Amino acid sequence: DTGVSQDPRHKITKRGQNVTFRCDPISEHNRLYWYRQTLGQGPEFLTYFQNEAQLEKSRLLSDRFSAERPKGSFSTLEIQRTEQGDSAMYLCASSHMDREGDTQYFGPGTRLTVL
Amino acid sequence: AQKITQTQPGMFVQEKEAVTLDCTYDTSDPSYGLFWYKQPSSGEMIFLIYQGSYDQQNATEGRYSLNFQKARKSANLVISASQLGDSAMYFCAMREVNTGFQKLVFGTGTRLLVSP
Repeated sequence: DTGVSQDPRHKITKRGQNVTFRCDPISEHNRLYWYRQTLGQGPEFLTYFQNEAQLEKSRLLSDRFSAERPKGSFSTLEIQRTEQGDSAMYLCASSHMDREGDTQYFGPGTRLTVL
Repeated sequence: AQKITQTQPGMFVQEKEAVTLDCTYDTSDPSYGLFWYKQPSSGEMIFLIYQGSYDQQNATEGRYSLNFQKARKSANLVISASQLGDSAMYFCAMREVNTGFQKLVFGTGTRLLVSP
């Protein structure tokens, strides 16, 4: 069983550009989560999907952020008009609601640097 | 509101010794889960161990055990027989069940350094 994968692993962009990240969850996991982690902090929740439905969004998720999970499989996180404050590690996790206490398994993350 | 506190920014331990990483939590939900994750310098969050609020026994996974003291709202991680590869950041996290929210709330982490 392969783990959660994320692409790209690193992204450098200029302020004002749009970026999109992809997350492929563990197969058969029906829940998918996005977190953001800045230096010296623990991850902070951004949003969560159960199958294809986006059920929860953090106030951290401004209008410039959008996430999708078409067909309940992979997910994308798009940031429009990037700002320097968006520089962070973006982590994706997945879980199965009926297994292992709904434990979330994380991918390797996408490190975003906004110049 | 749910909150996780990790008061040890850094811990040092010699190889083969045991070490305890502290975690306290705050919640009003009687049903919750507590998790520990390891984050090496590569950045990936690696799941270590889980404890449910209604579990009667402390969780164990190999060299990891969770010292769960519900009345004190603490969930300390014990690593026995430390190895050099255990050097990493360790995060305690909590998920409330009854609120219907599925997010994990993390502490600020403890950096563990294992020396030869």
